[in-house]
Amino acid sequence: AQSVAQPEDQVNVAEGNPLTVKCTYSVSGNPYLFWYVQYPNRGLQFLLKYITGDNLVKGSYGFEAEFNKSQTSFHLKKPSALVSDSALYFCAVREGRRDSSYKLIFGSGTRLLVRP
Amino acid sequence: NAGVTQTPKFRILKIGQSMTLQCAQDMNHNYMYWYRQDPGMGLKLIYYSVGAGITDKGEVPNGYNVSRSTTEDFPLRLELAAPSQTSVYFCASSYSNTPSNQPQHFGDGTRLSIL
Repeated sequence: AQSVAQPEDQVNVAEGNPLTVKCTYSVSGNPYLFWYVQYPNRGLQFLLKYITGDNLVKGSYGFEAEFNKSQTSFHLKKPSALVSDSALYFCAVREGRRDSSYKLIFGSGTRLLVRP
Repeated sequence: NAGVTQTPKFRILKIGQSMTLQCAQDMNHNYMYWYRQDPGMGLKLIYYSVGAGITDKGEVPNGYNVSRSTTEDFPLRLELAAPSQTSVYFCASSYSNTPSNQPQHFGDGTRLSIL
């Protein structure tokens, strides 16, 4: 069965410093991987996705993520954090099978806190 | 273009009451989904629909029902509310199921408390 793990409940970083939010996954076959962000009292917003191709994926708001097949990871990164990046971040995975169900499996979320 | 609209935003129910959570999208998306979000648990899929008249169960369907009579609307029904259904409910939609056409677009959620 497919699964996603976000090992850190919270990540703290100072404004201007680089940030990393970790995600590991387990699927049979090729994965489709996604990152979403959730601000208070709002729904999830899409940040970026990996389908195929270049392992470094660039997304919205200066975020990027690196797909590492050997480590089954898809960590979210940003070179310089902003206070406004403080939010809840979710990693999600879908199996890359033709007959795959229409389901994304979400991780439990990581709260990012950027200090001024 | 409103995207995905959920009503109500907040609701308190008594145990055993019933209610319908409304979801509407104006993007002509075929696929619609209902999730619940519990603290520290991420999102769990309740039901989904691949088009008008077609629905299927997700991971946690017990205690819920759905219908999809139009492309735009996908209401979620709680027949006998239980405290375990206290959660934040999100509706989402996507144009198709191909990975390049996801991500799913989310509404702002309905916060439901069962007392």
